[in-house]
Amino acid sequence: DSGVTQTPKHLITATGQRVTLRCSPRSGDLSVYWYQQSLDQGLQFLIQYYNGEERAKGNILERFSAQQFPDLHSELNLSSLELGDSALYFCASSQTGVEGETQYFGPGTRLLVL
Amino acid sequence: AQSVTQLDSQVPVFEEAPVELRCNYSSSVSVYLFWYVQYPNQGLQLLLKYLSGSTLVKGINGFEAEFNKSQTSFHLRKPSVHISDTAEYFCAVSETPGGGNKLTFGTGTQLKVEL
Repeated sequence: DSGVTQTPKHLITATGQRVTLRCSPRSGDLSVYWYQQSLDQGLQFLIQYYNGEERAKGNILERFSAQQFPDLHSELNLSSLELGDSALYFCASSQTGVEGETQYFGPGTRLLVL
Repeated sequence: AQSVTQLDSQVPVFEEAPVELRCNYSSSVSVYLFWYVQYPNQGLQLLLKYLSGSTLVKGINGFEAEFNKSQTSFHLRKPSVHISDTAEYFCAVSETPGGGNKLTFGTGTQLKVEL
């Protein structure tokens, strides 16, 4: 158990819909990361937050957005969902987000878009 | 931009045999290197990482990896595998300086340990 929690574990929805994935980092960690794992794209970095502020952005679609709240939990919002958004979405956390710091991964949310 | 290549998508090996999982990277700047393991229906767990110093890095569960700058490689090894090592293994890099702590992953190697 990494100490990072993600809800829900599974999500099934339809094309065009919007969903919110939630992540609680390890106690004391200030930085949160979101990754997408899909069969065709592999594991891809989406976005990083540090203490409520966006720190780095990766291949995140405009239809996707994220935020980190004052209590440090983070949410990833996916809208206008397409079949290709079906994937495993991981949240990770680290203490300060500095380079080389170990990231601790949650168990993921499996999203299926029908 | 950096990239990571894991040439072997699957590696079958018998229990108690040695194994090497290969990882090569490409980057125009210095990198930090990581190996993560993913067991079925679980998140990723860090096995080991190289930031600086000794090029031979020891990790958890008896794994080790060697950083070779001239060959831009970071191969993972274990002298004797167990059934419980069956999992997917990911090599990852982050650029330094300036890359933040963003990880770029390889496509993964499925290690299947057989009796």
